Amino acid sequence: DAGVIQSPRHEVTEMGQEVTLRCKPISGHDYLFWYRQTMMRGLELLIYFNNNVPIDDSGMPEDRFSAKMPNASFSTLKIQPSEPRDSAVYFCASSLAGTSVGNTIYFGEGSWLTVV
Amino acid sequence: EDQVTQSPEALRLQEGESSSLNCSYTVSGLRGLFWYRQDPGKGPEFLFTLYSAGEEKEKERLKATLTKKESFLHITAPKPEDSATYLCAVRKGDKLIFGTGTRLQVFP
Repeated sequence: DAGVIQSPRHEVTEMGQEVTLRCKPISGHDYLFWYRQTMMRGLELLIYFNNNVPIDDSGMPEDRFSAKMPNASFSTLKIQPSEPRDSAVYFCASSLAGTSVGNTIYFGEGSWLTVV
Repeated sequence: EDQVTQSPEALRLQEGESSSLNCSYTVSGLRGLFWYRQDPGKGPEFLFTLYSAGEEKEKERLKATLTKKESFLHITAPKPEDSATYLCAVRKGDKLIFGTGTRLQVFP
């Protein structure tokens, strides 16, 4: 299996610009997670979907952030407008049946975002 | 408040020098504790899941143990290729709450 695929791997953008991060989960997985990683706060869950439906978006920092999952094989995380404090690594992850016994969450390689 | 704390933040070992990493948690109704390894520029890679106090799991030079309040990742006779950041996480519903990790460096 190809694993979780994210794009772009690196993005440098100017403050105020729109940023769109993309994710293709592992085929057959029904849960998709978006995490953000910074040195100060570590890995934080932003939002997760089950069967393409957003379940918990309480980690989304503010209205500038939005996420969609139009089908089982694609999700986007959008930041509009972007700010320097959004600079971080954004990870997408997927799993079968969440974190139920015997299942685990598999991570992509991440999208490194720098907002200048 | 649910919290996961890892210590030490960083650890430098000589090749062959065994040690342990700690993960303490305050989560009501623990339903799984996960260990991940993260290499620079990569996503976290799954290592172990532990579900109940007293449980142990091993993989090569790594052994994870779990008590009611903490988990240990024991590294026996580490090699330079074990250098990475080790993350622990606890399950809360369908999601994982992560600690900030221990950055391990093993020198030849």
